[in-house]
Amino acid sequence: QVEHVQSGAEVKKPGASVKVSCEASGYNFRAFGIHWVRQAPGQRLEWMGWINIDNGNTEFSQKFQGRITITRNTPASIVYMELSTLRSEDTAIYYCARGVRSSGWLFDHWGQGTLVTVSS
Amino acid sequence: DIQMTQSPPSLSGSVGDRVTITCRASQSINQYLNWYRQRPGKAPEVLIYAASSLQSGVPRRFSGGGFGTDFSLTISGLQPEDFAIYFCQQSFSPPLTFGGGTRVEMK
Repeated sequence: QVEHVQSGAEVKKPGASVKVSCEASGYNFRAFGIHWVRQAPGQRLEWMGWINIDNGNTEFSQKFQGRITITRNTPASIVYMELSTLRSEDTAIYYCARGVRSSGWLFDHWGQGTLVTVSS
Repeated sequence: DIQMTQSPPSLSGSVGDRVTITCRASQSINQYLNWYRQRPGKAPEVLIYAASSLQSGVPRRFSGGGFGTDFSLTISGLQPEDFAIYFCQQSFSPPLTFGGGTRVEMK
């Protein structure tokens, strides 16, 4: 079955970087995109960006441009999201989600989420 | 960015009730609207895509409608697992944006 397993919780200091992984299984990894969505406490879901697994192209929300990097290890079916220059407002649960093109993007399978806490 | 506004922010119901949640976009998004359910401590799961299409495996008690700027999600016969938070998401143009959520609570 389709599954996305994310790396464990992280605690970081302001100004540091965090790298979260998302390992996919149960489907043709190259045939889909992987998106990253975060959910800060009490806030709405927030789309951050995505990677085309086949060609490695990425697209990011303007809000995160310059701070976010998304890469993939295709043979291992793993996607990485790195967010730099962390601040307290980046404290959130970070989800990876498989993107399907169907009248735009829909996210049909999600990882379990990774809690990133930014605190001095 | 396209702003998505959901209403109500919360509602209460009983098992078997029919409830409707609405979502309004700040500009026309045609039919590019998806609905998700998020149970406590879990990741969201897609229910409806393209405004009215039922995702495979999702029970038929869920239905969606709308076009342009105004959309709705109806649950016909609440089940215990439906007490959760529901989000709409526009997929018309990046950045993809979500509504603020509607919490469905047990009465």
